[in-house]
Order: sequence, then C-alpha cells, then structure tokens
Amino acid sequence: DTEVTQTPKHLVMGMTNKKSLKCEQHMGHRAMYWYKQKAKKPPELMFVYSYEKLSINESVPSRFSPECPNSSLLNLHLHALQPEDSALYLCASSQRLGGISSNQPQHFGDGTRLSIL
Amino acid sequence: DAKTTQPNSMESNEEEPVHLPCNHSTISGTDYIHWYRQLPSQGPEYVIHGLTSNVNNRMASLAIAEDRKSSTLILHRATLRDAAVYYCILKYNNNDMRFGAGTRLTVKP
Repeated sequence: DTEVTQTPKHLVMGMTNKKSLKCEQHMGHRAMYWYKQKAKKPPELMFVYSYEKLSINESVPSRFSPECPNSSLLNLHLHALQPEDSALYLCASSQRLGGISSNQPQHFGDGTRLSIL
Repeated sequence: DAKTTQPNSMESNEEEPVHLPCNHSTISGTDYIHWYRQLPSQGPEYVIHGLTSNVNNRMASLAIAEDRKSSTLILHRATLRDAAVYYCILKYNNNDMRFGAGTRLTVKP
C-alpha cells in the first residue's frame, strides 16, 4: 500500500468539463510533485510545491492549475483539456527541497488515469 | 544537464542475479545517483541511492564506478515480482528529478 493516496483512480471527462485530481500524504513531507506519464513513456515533471508554495512550473499549459491548500494536500484542477492530455497523473512527496534532505526519496501514489473524450 | 543512458530492455532468469547498468558521463560532483522502479499499474518506487560509495539495502545494491561516470544496480536474486521498468536518475537543479527512458526488466520463470 502506498503512503501517498490519489483520488480518483480513474477519470473520464469531456473537453468542456472541469474536474480536480486530489493527492494526500500524512508523512509530514513539505515537498509535493505532479507528474504526467503517457503510455510506455517515463514520468514527466509538471509542478513542484515546497512548503505549500509553487516552486517549479515546467511550462505546463494553463488548463492545468495546481493548488496546495495545506501541507498534506495537493490538487490539480483541470479545465478545457484536450485529447492529448489523456495520461496517468502521478503525485509524489518528499521531505524537503534543498539541502541534505533533498536526497531523501520521493514517495509516489499509484496515479489517476485520465481519459479525455 | 546531466543525463543518463540505460539499455532499453534486459532479461533475467528467476533466482539469478541481475546487473542493470547506467551511464552518466556528465555527472557533476554533487549529483546523487538514484534508482527507482515502476511495476505494472503502479507509481514509481524508490529503490536505492548513492554518491560515491557502494550502497546496500534490503532491495538491492548499488555499485558506483570510481570516476562516477557509470553505476550498476544489482538485484541479488531476481523474482517474478521484480519485473518492472528501472530508472536511473541524477538529481537535477532544485533537487527535483527527471526520468530517462529506463530499462524494462523481464524475469523468466
């Protein structure tokens, strides 16, 4: 069982819908991440949060909007997505960014499989 | 940016050792070498990491070349449950991670 919980596990939505992906961890980690993974490809970093503040945005289109309401939760709000956005969305957490703690492992959830009709 | 090169795929027999190589010739002095694996239908899972010295844990061993330009992940006795994609990753700017293509390991009974 993973210590990072992602909901829902599967999501099917139309291009005009608005939905949100949720990620939760209770390990006291202060760095949280969103990745996108297409089939047979490696995960690609999208966003990094450090102490609830956005630290890295990998030039992700604005139809993806991340939010970190508190240290345990990470959301990804979706609006007006395109069919090519269909993928597995992975959330991860780690202790801290920076310093010796930066080499602590990232803990991943099992992802939300998103299909855009 | 330091990059890694791994074979696309490898095969192993069950209960035999597996050596998964990774080349990282442009590694910097402060980059740690991390290994993760991704089993089918799961998120990536941390395996091991190191800087200069060889490392052992309950899952695997990591052998790092003296010049740090390559490393090898060693699974001492492969099981069917070790079939996965194995990623060798160097820590990047801001301490986040960038995944390469990885090695798909097939374990034959």
